[in-house]
Amino acid sequence: GAVVSQHPSRVICKSGTSVKIECRSLDFQATTMFWYRQFPKQSLMLMATSNEGSKATYEQGVEKDKFLINHASLTLSTLTVTSAHPEDSSFYICSARRQDSNQPQHFGDGTRLSIL
Amino acid sequence: AQSVTQLDSQVPVFEEAPVELRCNYSSSVSVYLFWYVQYPNQGLQLLLKYLSGSTLVKGINGFEAEFNKSQTSFHLRKPSVHISDTAEYFCAVSDPGAGGTSYGKLTFGQGTILTVHP
Repeated sequence: GAVVSQHPSRVICKSGTSVKIECRSLDFQATTMFWYRQFPKQSLMLMATSNEGSKATYEQGVEKDKFLINHASLTLSTLTVTSAHPEDSSFYICSARRQDSNQPQHFGDGTRLSIL
Repeated sequence: AQSVTQLDSQVPVFEEAPVELRCNYSSSVSVYLFWYVQYPNQGLQLLLKYLSGSTLVKGINGFEAEFNKSQTSFHLRKPSVHISDTAEYFCAVSDPGAGGTSYGKLTFGQGTILTVHP
């Protein structure tokens, strides 16, 4: 079945550091990838939609200069949290979808980001 | 705009008992419906999906769900649960007709934590 790999699984770093998270589709081409944020005991909130070869579309309230998204190939999207602060600590999850509209999204295992 | 409501934040059950996790949605257009399961510190795994056709959908791990258009519901059921079913379950919808930046976007419910006791 379709597999999405997310790396790293856990990051602990100091305030002010920039952190890059990778999302790879391993056995299919993903024209669209999605980035979610999940706070403890809450649902997933969509941050942005990443389309290969074009700029990401951010949801309302998400700072695009804070959360940089790059989707340079059909199998890789990256999320960079710039100058991270403790309030950015969260569980970040990516998903990837094949080109067909009725194909479900396949999720990575998430990245636990902890900013000290 | 679409929304999803999962009516129970927590559902405790005993092993081998039946369970139903409730999901209602709101949408002005036809929708695709999904149930995902999340184990601690992991991403989401698709349990089942409704796109069209038969309203009773069977998924993995013995789960099934029934799409009820008149009640705008998509409740998840399992006749006999196991300890290993303990996890958080999310109901989600997407708009198959959405174009542009809304294409393929999922809207999630708040999640239901299922705890199976021995």
